[in-house]
Amino acid sequence: NAGVTQTPKFQVLKTGQSMTLQCAQDMNHEYMSWYRQDPGMGLRLIHYSVGAGITDQGEVPNGYNVSRSTTEDFPLRLLSAAPSQTSVYFCASLDGTTDTQYFGPGTRLTVL
Amino acid sequence: SQQGEEDPQALSIQEGENATMNCSYKTSINNLQWYRQNSGRGLVHLILIRSNEREKHSGRLRVTLDTSKKSSSLLITASRAADTASYFCATPRRGGYQKVTFGTGTKLQVIP
Repeated sequence: NAGVTQTPKFQVLKTGQSMTLQCAQDMNHEYMSWYRQDPGMGLRLIHYSVGAGITDQGEVPNGYNVSRSTTEDFPLRLLSAAPSQTSVYFCASLDGTTDTQYFGPGTRLTVL
Repeated sequence: SQQGEEDPQALSIQEGENATMNCSYKTSINNLQWYRQNSGRGLVHLILIRSNEREKHSGRLRVTLDTSKKSSSLLITASRAADTASYFCATPRRGGYQKVTFGTGTKLQVIP
C-alpha cells in the first residue's frame, strides 16, 4: 500500500494563478480531508468528503474548491492564488473502523 | 480559537528522561488522538483514547483523559533523540468526524 500520496511536493505560484493539488489513497477510505498548516496555527480543515460525490466545507474553505469523483482521489483546486494561501497543505484519509487519520507527506505552496 | 490546545508549546529534555505534554479542549468529544510530526513531514497517528477510557498505553506512550476537566496528557517514557518532533492532539467533536480540530502542537526536543 502506498497510503496517501500528494503531488507536487513543492510549488511556487504567482498571485492570480490557479492550480490543483493532487491527493490519492489506496486504502478504500470513504473519508478524506484537506488541511493547511501555518506557523503557530496548527492544522485547519479546508474541505472534506465523506464519500465519492459528497464534499463539504471545513473551517477555512474560501478560495478553494474540491471534488470527489472516485473513492481514491480528492484534488484541491486553488482558483486564483493569493499570498495568504502560502502554506503547507496536507491531505488525509480516515479509517472509519479505527478513527485513525492517515496523512500524506504534504505540499509546500508559496504564492508570490 | 483552537479546540485543542497543547501545553507546553516547546519542551527540551535529555535523552532518557520522560516527556509530558498536555492538551485541553472545549467541547464534547468522541475520542482524542495524538499525532507526531517530524520536521517537514506529514502527521503520524500515535494513539487514540475514547471518551469512556481514562488511560491507555502503547509501548513507551501513556495517554490519560479526564473528560470532567476536558484535558488529556501524553507521556513519553525513556525518551530518545528520535522522539524529537512536534506532537498534536486532535479532537473529533460529537456529530461527525469532519469536525476534528487540531491544536497548535508541542515541539519536543530530545538532546542526546
